[in-house]
Amino acid sequence: EIVMTQSPATLSVSPGERATLSCRASQSVSSNLAWYQQKPGQAPRLLIYGASTRATGIPARFSGSGSGTEFTLTISSLQSEDFAVYYCQQYNNWPPIFTFGPGTKVDIK
Amino acid sequence: EVQLVQSGAEVKKPGESLKISCKGSGYSFTSYWIGWVRQMPGKGLEWMGIIYPGDSDTRYSPSFQGQVTISADKSISTAYLQWSSLKASDTAMYYCARRGGGADYGGKSPFDYWGQGTLVTVSS
Repeated sequence: EIVMTQSPATLSVSPGERATLSCRASQSVSSNLAWYQQKPGQAPRLLIYGASTRATGIPARFSGSGSGTEFTLTISSLQSEDFAVYYCQQYNNWPPIFTFGPGTKVDIK
Repeated sequence: EVQLVQSGAEVKKPGESLKISCKGSGYSFTSYWIGWVRQMPGKGLEWMGIIYPGDSDTRYSPSFQGQVTISADKSISTAYLQWSSLKASDTAMYYCARRGGGADYGGKSPFDYWGQGTLVTVSS
């Protein structure tokens, strides 16, 4: 079973600053890694898939990188609407099996 | 427009049974896997299982195998998550989500559309 870890658990950032979130897989997931954003009271939203491809409608300030076991989500200049919890998820298995990381909460400094 | 619409909030007692639903529209329901995700109060996302409505192929997370049953009725484009005997620890928000098509995501795919969630409260 693949275990996903995320760091830090909480990231305090000022608006306009850069945020860097990390995600690690216990074994290689190739580039089959997604990032989701969840705001309070809302369902998660797909931000990044294939480790680095933005989903439809996602602003260019969100970028993803990495492959294998180490991944990064970068928000280049935080806007007020970006304060949320971010989850990574691996989807490398077939038949489909998914694993989420524990999440990183990005809050206002 | 792709939509997943889930059934409404439920309040149940321990030991009762429950079946919640997720109705898909705006796409070919039988051609995409539908997964279920649990979110306990104040906690993270946990993948529970997934079903392919086209042939009812179903897979479960080891953590949820035997605890819930996932099914689908393709004639009404609806997936289900059910419990035979609820526990207080089943209190959570439950989301359904569509696994994207391989052609859209280069093979293996993430969850690209999500339902609004169904809050299940189990309390005596």
